[in-house]
Amino acid sequence: DAGVIQSPRHEVTEMGQEVTLRCKPISGHNSLFWYRQTMMRGLELLIYFNNNVPIDDSGMPEDRFSAKMPNASFSTLKIQPSEPRDSAVYFCASRPGQLNEQFFGPGTRLTVL
Amino acid sequence: GENVEQHPSTLSVQEGDSAVIKCTYSDSASNYFPWYKQELGKRPQLIIDIRSNVGEKKDQRIAVTLNKTAKHFSLHITETQPEDSAVYFCAAPTSYDKVIFGPGTSLSVIP
Repeated sequence: DAGVIQSPRHEVTEMGQEVTLRCKPISGHNSLFWYRQTMMRGLELLIYFNNNVPIDDSGMPEDRFSAKMPNASFSTLKIQPSEPRDSAVYFCASRPGQLNEQFFGPGTRLTVL
Repeated sequence: GENVEQHPSTLSVQEGDSAVIKCTYSDSASNYFPWYKQELGKRPQLIIDIRSNVGEKKDQRIAVTLNKTAKHFSLHITETQPEDSAVYFCAAPTSYDKVIFGPGTSLSVIP
């Protein structure tokens, strides 16, 4: 198994542009999490899905952020419009069920100029 | 509200000494407590976990203890080695299975 796959690995964009981050969870995992990591705020949970359904999006900073999971093997996190304060590493993680380890992807390092 | 606190935020030990990191959580429904290690520039990876029906779990040089009454759990690393240098995160799920991570502890092991 290739593990959790994220793309792109690095993204540099200008303020105001739309950014789309992609994630492919491990096959068979029914939970998917999106995290944002910065030095100041640590590892923040943005949103998580169970069986493709968003369960809690209270961590999404504002309306500029949106996430979708159209099927069990794909999820996107979109920022529109992007701002410099969105610069961070965004991790996707999947899990096979409750009381289990989360497997993190390699992350996407986003820089908004 | 949902909260996971972690102490200390930084820890420096001599190689061979022990390191202890403590976490406290607020949701009494939490029943699974993992610890993740994140090396510089890499992703967090699970190193050990414990479920609420167990008070202690050990895996070679790493152990975790849980006190559900006091709502805290601790990571113990014995005979530390330079490769143990990393950021360590504790986590706890809430009653809605939302996983909350602690702020992290940066551990430095001095050769």
